[in-house]
Amino acid sequence: EAQVTQNPRYLITVTGKKLTVTCSQNMNHEYMSWYRQDPGLGLRQIYYSMNVEVTDKGDVPEGYKVSRKEKRNFPLILESPSPNQTSLYFCASRAGHLYEQYFGPGTRLTVT
Amino acid sequence: QKEVEQDPGPLSVPEGAIVSLNCTYSNSAFQYFMWYRQYSRKGPELLMYTYSSGNKEDGRFTAQVDKSSKYISLFIRDSQPSDSATYLCAMSAGYGGSQGNLIFGKGTKLSVKP
Repeated sequence: EAQVTQNPRYLITVTGKKLTVTCSQNMNHEYMSWYRQDPGLGLRQIYYSMNVEVTDKGDVPEGYKVSRKEKRNFPLILESPSPNQTSLYFCASRAGHLYEQYFGPGTRLTVT
Repeated sequence: QKEVEQDPGPLSVPEGAIVSLNCTYSNSAFQYFMWYRQYSRKGPELLMYTYSSGNKEDGRFTAQVDKSSKYISLFIRDSQPSDSATYLCAMSAGYGGSQGNLIFGKGTKLSVKP
């Protein structure tokens, strides 16, 4: 089954404790992206990657890092999480020449 | 002015009603227009896609794009309780590089009452 998976689905952590949210897709998609979704603000792009070792900032990249060492994986790293990063996070992927993005199930992060 | 504006609702309608959801945008470079549906506790999934201006119909759903007015719409006919979800409009200027990045509206929460 074609899918985007994220782990963990739920995470509660404390300020300053480094964490990684994993994202993996099995569709051999070139393009992958991370979004955060907040009430009243909608979906905002954090980082995206056009292919292996090619990443770029989205609209709200501050406080986040990403890496793309393999085509299928695109982890999101919060080196020093803060309460304002409490949000619902989505990973997405698409084929480079197509428009349809496939979203993962989401990771709900709470930083206290 | 935000690039994409969408009334967040919530919108509550009786079963069988015709629903109209709308977005306006300011960037005239947008050419690809999409509607995503997001059920509670799920990721968004693509519902409809339209390139440039015009209409597209898929079953009970019709997407319209009016580039001259920078206005897009999604119509749902004979709405069902299973249509209850948040509907997100999204648009982009192209495929490649940052042009392929989607800009989303904030989403409209729809509830269809039996």
